[in-house]
Amino acid sequence: DIQMTQSPSSLSASVGDRVTITCRASQPISSFLNWYQQKPGKAPKLLIYATSTLQSGVPSRFSGSGSGTDFTLTISSLQPEDFATYYCQQTYSFPWTFGQGTKVEIK
Amino acid sequence: QVQLQESGPGLVKPSETLSLTCTVSGGSVSDSTYYWSWVRQPPGKGLEWIGHVSYSGGTNYNPSLKSRVTISVDTSKTQFSLKLSSVTAADTALYFCASAYYYAPHYLDSWGQGTLVAVSS
Repeated sequence: DIQMTQSPSSLSASVGDRVTITCRASQPISSFLNWYQQKPGKAPKLLIYATSTLQSGVPSRFSGSGSGTDFTLTISSLQPEDFATYYCQQTYSFPWTFGQGTKVEIK
Repeated sequence: QVQLQESGPGLVKPSETLSLTCTVSGGSVSDSTYYWSWVRQPPGKGLEWIGHVSYSGGTNYNPSLKSRVTISVDTSKTQFSLKLSSVTAADTALYFCASAYYYAPHYLDSWGQGTLVAVSS
């Protein structure tokens, strides 16, 4: 299985801050990397797929980059509704695997 | 995007079989552009992909669960289902159904709200 490791596991930030979350794969996964946002008690929501393609309806303050084994999710200006847990996921090979999550909290 | 809704018992006894159904609306399980997927999340923990079924019945499962899991599709009822046998407390989780784009790059674009299943006697 491909292991996905996110860092940090949690972070505290203020509204308006630029936030970057990193996801590292245990082997190259080309660009088959997705990002999801999950709020407590809710289903995950797809933000970005194929490393950098923004899902329809997702604000442009979210962006993704990377290739191979190292990927990042960036929120350019954190908004109150962005406080949540973020997961990366690889779909390069089965089984599809998720990172352990990064919880973004209010500072 | 399709809408998805999970249903099934919220409590299952140890060693028994967990059975959940996902009803699809706004689309069809016969749609060849989707895998019909299950993902679970133990309380306070991260996400685990369980597996998926295609419109034609082809499946892929997580090897960690493969010996116990069956995912199937019922095109007549626009539903797909999950069966997990020989459950233990470790199978207690919030279970989500989701649609995954069939063609690469794959991604889970629509999700049900989730249903909590507890394994306890």
